[in-house]
Amino acid sequence: DQQVKQNSPSLSVQEGRISILNCDYTNSMFDYFLWYKKYPAEGPTFLISISSIKDKNEDGRFTVFLNKSAKHLSLHIVPSQPGDSAVYFCAASRYSGGYQKVTFGIGTKLQVIP
Amino acid sequence: DVKVTQSSRYLVKRTGEKVFLECVQDMDHENMFWYRQDPGLGLRLIYFSYDVKMKEKGDIPEGYSVSREKKERFSLILESASTNQTSMYLCAVKRPGNQPQHFGDGTRLSIL
Repeated sequence: DQQVKQNSPSLSVQEGRISILNCDYTNSMFDYFLWYKKYPAEGPTFLISISSIKDKNEDGRFTVFLNKSAKHLSLHIVPSQPGDSAVYFCAASRYSGGYQKVTFGIGTKLQVIP
Repeated sequence: DVKVTQSSRYLVKRTGEKVFLECVQDMDHENMFWYRQDPGLGLRLIYFSYDVKMKEKGDIPEGYSVSREKKERFSLILESASTNQTSMYLCAVKRPGNQPQHFGDGTRLSIL
């Protein structure tokens, strides 16, 4: 049962354009959402997060949008740069059994073409 | 930012061996996690710990155990390594509450 879904395994974007990475979730109990970036042979790096009480959060070139009714979140990168080429993981968090449980998507590989 | 150090970047072991993967943090965070990452499967939680000597099973604990004798150190143990445990293993730490996890660089483990 995949509770966090990233349906696009890969995405190619021209440098300078917008990259939009999408994520869908099924469990309405998730209340905190995160995006991580991962380069090969490195661990994931935290990028940006959003609480379920918000619908948008910005940090420089990165913006995360949350649509709770659609159970959908997206990450926008503007403008895209070649250094953004990486695998992006969406994650969702909820409290269960007295602790916070995080579920990750399978990742989307972004390639930014110079 | 917290620094998370995993003892080995690459490790090759034989089937049936007992394998220890070590993770150390420098910030005294309570929560520590072990994941494995496989192509097409994302990050899957093996075990986690919310305090010293405390452990909880994640989604795929079979074939693994953990140890947390000190707050800064969380060890993953493969009791009898098998080829299907060949994977990238990632350790993460976080503070309580809605906070992000911080990951180590991973250990690429190959079981022959």
